[in-house]
Formats: sequence, C-alpha cells, structure tokens
Amino acid sequence: RKEVEQDPGPFNVPEGATVAFNCTYSNSASQSFFWYRQDCRKEPKLLMSVYSSGNEDGRFTAQLNRASQYISLLIRDSKLSDSATYLCVALGGSNYKLTFGKGTLLTVNP
Amino acid sequence: DGGITQSPKYLFRKEGQNVTLSCEQNLNHDAMYWYRQDPGQGLRLIYYSQIVNDFQKGDIAEGYSVSREKKESFPLTVTSAQKNPTAFYLCASSWGIATEAFFGQGTRLTVV
Repeated sequence: RKEVEQDPGPFNVPEGATVAFNCTYSNSASQSFFWYRQDCRKEPKLLMSVYSSGNEDGRFTAQLNRASQYISLLIRDSKLSDSATYLCVALGGSNYKLTFGKGTLLTVNP
Repeated sequence: DGGITQSPKYLFRKEGQNVTLSCEQNLNHDAMYWYRQDPGQGLRLIYYSQIVNDFQKGDIAEGYSVSREKKESFPLTVTSAQKNPTAFYLCASSWGIATEAFFGQGTRLTVV
C-alpha cells in the first residue's frame, strides 16, 4: 500500500462547481498533514495545513479523520485559476519526513 | 526577499558526468530536503537534513550525494552512478520537524 494515496483524477469541472479531493495515508504515526498546489512545470506551493478539527480558508476547506486515516480538500465556487495539480502530504513517523501523494490534476473550464 | 534559491534552472549533463545542483535559503530554516519529480509522478525524497553537518537518506538516495556544511546551503550532487538522472529536482526547507516545507523553483536536469 502506498504511503499516501490520492484520487487519480483528472477532474474537469465547470467554473463555479464544488470539487472534492480525497487522500488516505498508511502511517498511523503521521502527525501533520498539508495540501499543496502545483502549477504545470512549477514548484509545489503550500495551500493549507490540515488540522484535526478541520479548517477553512475562503473557498477551501480541509478535513482530517485520524480514525480512518483520511484527508480531504473541498474547493467551492471553483475559478479558472484553481486549475492545477493538488498534492496531499503527510508528515511524521520516526523520521519526520514529508511524504507526498502523486497529486490530482484539476482543470476548471469556462 | 526571503526564500529558497535553486540554480541553475536548467542543466544539461553528458552521460558519465557528475553535476551539482545548488540550493540556498535565507529563511533561517533548520531542515532542508531534496526531492525528485518525474513526469506524471509524485515527489520522491532523495536526502534530507535536519541540522548542519547531519543528513539522512530518503527513499531514492542511490546515485546521489549531499553535504550540509552551512545552515543555508544544501547542494545535491548527481553522480554518474545515477542511472536515470533526467528529472525535475526540487529543494525545500522548513523550520524543523513537523512543519510545512517551502520549495525553490526547481532545476530541470537533462542527460544528453
């Protein structure tokens, strides 16, 4: 089982749609979780951290379910500029390394 | 401006040559990382360092070497032993363990 698995995608949605990304992690010792966004041929950029209680930043909502080892990202009212690859990341275990999922490509269409 | 600087942005290497990719940060971060990304793939960890003069192998360290002589610098050498070096190399840094990482703009290495 891969350490961090994401929906394979790709997702194609119209502007204004709500889209959800799902991610599971295998290391129960993982302590911190993040969502990154990566534009084509660019470096990943931190979108948001994921807290146990869930957190929201504008149109973006992240949730963590430790019992199910599951992380999600919800984007509401999607914009053309949201088109990118979204990477789920888990941090932790004995070596405190960041482990990335393969990413899910989102294309928002006009 | 604070940030992470990778150089060069594009690098071409002949087979059998060693090349060194530069990564410098002025964020005063303790931890630094090197990742490799292949087309359509996720990021894979090559090496990481939590403090100066200490570093650990990641998942795909074979054919690579690093040094951490200064807090702000973490160069990666791609040796001739690396069989498939063509990839996008990303350097990152973070305040320390259990914190988010910030990335440089990456170096695209091509073997010709």
